[in-house]
Amino acid sequence: GENVEQHPSTLSVQEGDSAVIKCTYSDSASNYFPWYKQELGKRPQLIIDIRSNVGEKKDQRIAVTLNKTAKHFSLHITETQPEDSAVYFCAASKGSNYQLIWGAGTKLIIKP
Amino acid sequence: DAGVIQSPRHEVTEMGQEVTLRCKPISGHDYLFWYRQTMMRGLELLIYFNNNVPIDDSGMPEDRFSAKMPNASFSTLKIQPSEPRDSAVYFCASSRSTDNYGYTFGSGTRLTVV
Repeated sequence: GENVEQHPSTLSVQEGDSAVIKCTYSDSASNYFPWYKQELGKRPQLIIDIRSNVGEKKDQRIAVTLNKTAKHFSLHITETQPEDSAVYFCAASKGSNYQLIWGAGTKLIIKP
Repeated sequence: DAGVIQSPRHEVTEMGQEVTLRCKPISGHDYLFWYRQTMMRGLELLIYFNNNVPIDDSGMPEDRFSAKMPNASFSTLKIQPSEPRDSAVYFCASSRSTDNYGYTFGSGTRLTVV
């Protein structure tokens, strides 16, 4: 079945610097790749997603890139701020049954 | 829209007791998912429904766990009997098949079994 690997498990960056989180997936039929942010004690919330027919998508300070050939996708956060501190999850889906396969999560720490 | 509503927010129960968690999905959403989250195992999909019908319950850990969705606006997850290892945060999420596939999660129920 589908497997999603996410790296790193913890990422510490200086405020204002950029952060990059990477995920790889195993099933080439996957066509939908969302990213969720979960702040401490709160629910996961969708922050950005990308479909297999595009290579990059941006929304203000966050962007996601997708390399279908290599089967990996990445989350990029620029000009990091304290409120970016959270656990970030990537996921992949073939879309047909709406079941997301989740990465293990990355704890992002923004140092002041 | 009030979002996905879960109750209770916190539940503390003794081992062996029955626990029932409740979820009201967003109106118009036709998919409903139950997840369990722990530090050790991360986010685990337990079961999901489409149009109130269970589609995949392979994530339900044991027969002690059961889930129902009697109508489009309500679902329950029941654990009977509960055990300390069931302690976790249980999330319900819903989505609409005609949308962009994104899930909306509820606030979760933090279950502690002592």
